[in-house]
Amino acid sequence: AQKVTQAQTEISVVEKEDVTLDCVYETRDTTYYLFWYKQPPSGELVFLIRRNSFDEQNEISGRYSWNFQKSTSSFNFTITASQVVDSAVYFCALRGIQGAQKLVFGQGTRLTINP
Amino acid sequence: NAGVTQTPKFQVLKTGQSMTLQCAQDMNHEYMSWYRQDPGMGLRLIHYSVGAGITDQGEVPNGYNVSRSTTEDFPLRLLSAAPSQTSVYFCASSTLGQGGLAGYNEQFFGPGTRLTVL
Repeated sequence: AQKVTQAQTEISVVEKEDVTLDCVYETRDTTYYLFWYKQPPSGELVFLIRRNSFDEQNEISGRYSWNFQKSTSSFNFTITASQVVDSAVYFCALRGIQGAQKLVFGQGTRLTINP
Repeated sequence: NAGVTQTPKFQVLKTGQSMTLQCAQDMNHEYMSWYRQDPGMGLRLIHYSVGAGITDQGEVPNGYNVSRSTTEDFPLRLLSAAPSQTSVYFCASSTLGQGGLAGYNEQFFGPGTRLTVL
């Protein structure tokens, strides 16, 4: 079975602080894909990044960075110099290559950036 | 491109009523799916389809039906609404890659339908 755990239910920080959102996954597939989505207060799901299991390179996109470590089954997301607009619920998701090919989502982390 | 569209945006039903949530995409995506989002549980797959005429069950299919007569449309039917079906419903689509797998392909989500069953 596949599982994604986002242990941090809610995080609250002050603007300009750095914040890391944790994601730990479980899968028996050797090939799999990892995703991060953002859900702002308006409710839509915004795709942020994807990674396949063979690519452990870290990724940086502006203030966002992702650290993928197969050894610890983690795919953590860091926001540097956070801004109020970063306030949202963030979901980590896993997709294998078997069966329904569904995205298995974590429970989400609600991030609040206070001015 | 409109992307993935869903109607209605909001709906209130009484227990026992039936209704259809509409989903359409204009990106010629083979793979379409329905998820429900409940507080503290992330999103869970209800049904999915890998092409016109092909549908299958996801993780939480009970109480829902789907059909896929065209590539563009993937409606979700609630047969007899129950309060436990109060949720936010998302439709999503993506292309299929090598071997007919969605895999690495980005999944595009619709704006969601907020359903309340009284």
